[in-house]
Amino acid sequence: KNEVEQSPQNLTAQEGEFITINCSYSVGISALHWLQQHPGGGIVSLFMLSSGKKKHGRLIATINIQEKHSSLHITASHPRDSAVYICAVQAGNKLTFGGGTRVLVKP
Amino acid sequence: NAGVTQTPKFQVLKTGQSMTLQCAQDMNHEYMSWYRQDPGMGLRLIHYSVGAGITDQGEVPNGYNVSRSTTEDFPLRLLSAAPSQTSVYFCASSSWQGDTQYFGPGTRLTVL
Repeated sequence: KNEVEQSPQNLTAQEGEFITINCSYSVGISALHWLQQHPGGGIVSLFMLSSGKKKHGRLIATINIQEKHSSLHITASHPRDSAVYICAVQAGNKLTFGGGTRVLVKP
Repeated sequence: NAGVTQTPKFQVLKTGQSMTLQCAQDMNHEYMSWYRQDPGMGLRLIHYSVGAGITDQGEVPNGYNVSRSTTEDFPLRLLSAAPSQTSVYFCASSSWQGDTQYFGPGTRLTVL
């Protein structure tokens, strides 16, 4: 079993829909990161969480440390949100990554 | 700031050749790391450094060497390339290990 599991693996939404991506992990962590990888390959950090909730524009990330679970929400999705979203957990000096969720938002 | 830069962007090697992937950052970050990304595997940590002169192994270190002689640079050396090392390589940096990660644009390596 992978230390970091993401679901779903693939997601297709219509423009304007609310999107949720889930991340579950099995180890103790100091922080959790959400990253975005565009079709061109570049990786950008969206959030770093150690507790609670963070919001940036239409993106919201939450984490429940007790349940070892985090969610990334995209409100009012747009075709430019089409990308792979990656969850990564920080334990000590190391990051362990989930396999990613490929999101396609259709106009 | 240029952020994190990687060179080259693309490279083709023959089995047994050696090469160095370059990574540099201009943000005075202490923590730097190398990852490889393979289809269906996600990103995996190869080596990391918590400061100049200090390096450690990650999840998949075999076949790779690193050194950190300056804060800015963190090169990754392939000693004798193998087809299994065909991958996309990303370098990343952060001010400390739990902080926001900044990724380079990646190097696509093919070993024939």
